[in-house]
Amino acid sequence: QVQLVQSGAEVKKPGSSVKISCQASGGSFNSYNMTWMRQVPGQGLEWMGGIIPLLGAPAYAQKFQGRITITADKSTKTAYMELSSLRSADTAVYYCARGGGYYDVFTGYSPHWLDSWGQGTLVIVSS
Amino acid sequence: EIVLTQSPGTLSLSPGDRATLSCSASETVNSTYLAWFQHRPGQAPSLLIYDTSKRAPGIPGRFRGGGAGTNFTLTITRLEPEDFAVYYCQQFGSSPLTFGGGTNVDIK
Repeated sequence: QVQLVQSGAEVKKPGSSVKISCQASGGSFNSYNMTWMRQVPGQGLEWMGGIIPLLGAPAYAQKFQGRITITADKSTKTAYMELSSLRSADTAVYYCARGGGYYDVFTGYSPHWLDSWGQGTLVIVSS
Repeated sequence: EIVLTQSPGTLSLSPGDRATLSCSASETVNSTYLAWFQHRPGQAPSLLIYDTSKRAPGIPGRFRGGGAGTNFTLTITRLEPEDFAVYYCQQFGSSPLTFGGGTNVDIK
């Protein structure tokens, strides 16, 4: 079972950017989608995007296009999510999770459940 | 995108009760790609059920998933104190991945 550890809470000013890390240990990293979600206070879970480190090409939710960048470092088994032009509505707990998809060099891409989650990172956007 | 609607929004029950949670999809979901998560306050969500009915490692047998097409259910046959939490269904077969709005199972 992979363990995912996220970076700590952040307080940001409106208009700034935040970059959250998610480091994996104890399991496979390269072939699984590393997926990012958030939960705004009082609301449900929202998919933001993800990346399969082996392939390197991220996919983003349309809502965040132009403001989000997801990357992965295979050497350190760490995924990153950067969100720019922050506004108060971005105040939320951000989660990474392993899964959403899986890539096998022989069979290609297939959907995969989110089997492990990070502990969450609280981001507060306030002036 | 596939919209998942969970009902009821809140379920008030007592320990030992049976809980039945529903998840309705706006279009057919391949049952291989439907999961349920438990989310306790202050913790990360944790996987309960994948492929509609398969329990994740370590998940006790009182959690049962079922359904097909556009209607799926999560049943907790006998509630334990630690089961009072929010439960989400999620589909991962179609992009974007989507979650239901959640069912809060609270103590009556």
